[in-house]
Amino acid sequence: NAGVTQTPKFQVLKTGQSMTLQCAQDMNHNSMYWYRQDPGMGLRLIYYSASEGTTDKGEVPNGYNVSRLNKREFSLRLESAAPSQTSVYFCASSLAGVVQIAGELFFGEGSRLTVL
Amino acid sequence: LAKTTQPISMDSYEGQEVNITCSHNNIATNDYITWYQQFPSQGPRFIIQGYKTKVTNEVASLFIPADRKSSTLSLPRVSLSDTAVYYCLVGRSYNTDKLIFGTGTRLQVFP
Repeated sequence: NAGVTQTPKFQVLKTGQSMTLQCAQDMNHNSMYWYRQDPGMGLRLIYYSASEGTTDKGEVPNGYNVSRLNKREFSLRLESAAPSQTSVYFCASSLAGVVQIAGELFFGEGSRLTVL
Repeated sequence: LAKTTQPISMDSYEGQEVNITCSHNNIATNDYITWYQQFPSQGPRFIIQGYKTKVTNEVASLFIPADRKSSTLSLPRVSLSDTAVYYCLVGRSYNTDKLIFGTGTRLQVFP
């Protein structure tokens, strides 16, 4: 089982460039999340999708867009990258929504993004 | 949303028991408490989850007092490999929207 897979693992962008981070899960989970983690900091929620077809803003949504393409895939797009978006991005998924289990998130390995 | 507060860092030695406390004063009736472990350059990993009293699994115990305004993660006999950041997370049982992580506790285990 692959779990949660993120691509790419590393990316360097110039200011103003755009890119999309891809995330896919093979656990038939309903909810998916995008977090960012800056050096020495905790995780901050960017966007989440409680179920297929729905997305909602988290703590720090500005500068990002998301697409819940289907139940498996949840992508994060930076339309015009800025140096402040240099971070490690984590995708996560959770089964909750079907059974009463809260907070058991499964994380990908992260995507390290540098914006010059 | 229940905000969580944890100590920023803790130090311990191999073989000792470590207790990390998380404060969540405005926890709601339907909220569960979940703890995660994160190693450098990796995503967080689920450790344990509970609603009240005590929960134990093969790696940790979770103690939750009757008022549920705090919880304590207990790691028995830590080893060097337990050096990591530990996060406390509070979320509702039926809907995991906006799962907000706190700053976490950085545990350093010394030989």
